Amino acid sequence: ETGVTQTPRHLVMGMTNKKSLKCEQHLGHNAMYWYKQSAKKPLELMFVYNFKEQTENNSVPSRFSPECPNSSHLFLHLHTLQPEDSALYLCASSQSSGTGGSGNTIYFGEGSWLTVV
Amino acid sequence: AQSVTQPDIHITVSEGASLELRCNYSYGATPYLFWYVQSPGQGLQLLLKYFSGDTLVQGIKGFEAEFKRSQSSFNLRKPSVHWSDAAEYFCAVGARGSYIPTFGRGTSLIVHP
Repeated sequence: ETGVTQTPRHLVMGMTNKKSLKCEQHLGHNAMYWYKQSAKKPLELMFVYNFKEQTENNSVPSRFSPECPNSSHLFLHLHTLQPEDSALYLCASSQSSGTGGSGNTIYFGEGSWLTVV
Repeated sequence: AQSVTQPDIHITVSEGASLELRCNYSYGATPYLFWYVQSPGQGLQLLLKYFSGDTLVQGIKGFEAEFKRSQSSFNLRKPSVHWSDAAEYFCAVGARGSYIPTFGRGTSLIVHP
């Protein structure tokens, strides 16, 4: 248990479907992240939110739409995806201000496996 | 901006043998350094981290890493590998003043019985 919970763990969706991935963190952090991990590729940072405001969008296609209603919750809304979007989507959280004793360590959820058919 | 290199894509060791996974970083000052492990189908779990002080850092599962400023390295070591250590290992570097770390491409550890 890392304190970051992702649902669902597995999702199969058609290219015309609309679905959402959900992430919740119980660590009191103020920054949240979405990463994409595809086979044979490095970890790709998609979006970063800090105090609910988006601070990073690494040229992610608009078919991925993030939402951060508060510092504890993060969503990734998916629509009209392509088969190449099939991947493991990882949510993470960290502190973003000050370092305290633990610094800005990122903690990851277990991931959501997405298959687009 | 900081960067991190993990030169080895795959490492194969026999169970019981020692292990060293390499990590080199590029950053103008003393960075934050991390090692994570990812078992198949799972998220990344923090193994250990370095912020300051003692350059030899102890982590979970019997791992340790040593920060060598002169070599810009933060190599991960374990004296005796177990079959359950087979996983993907990621090194990450964080810049002081930025809360978003940069991850390496990962090293896949294969353990032979």
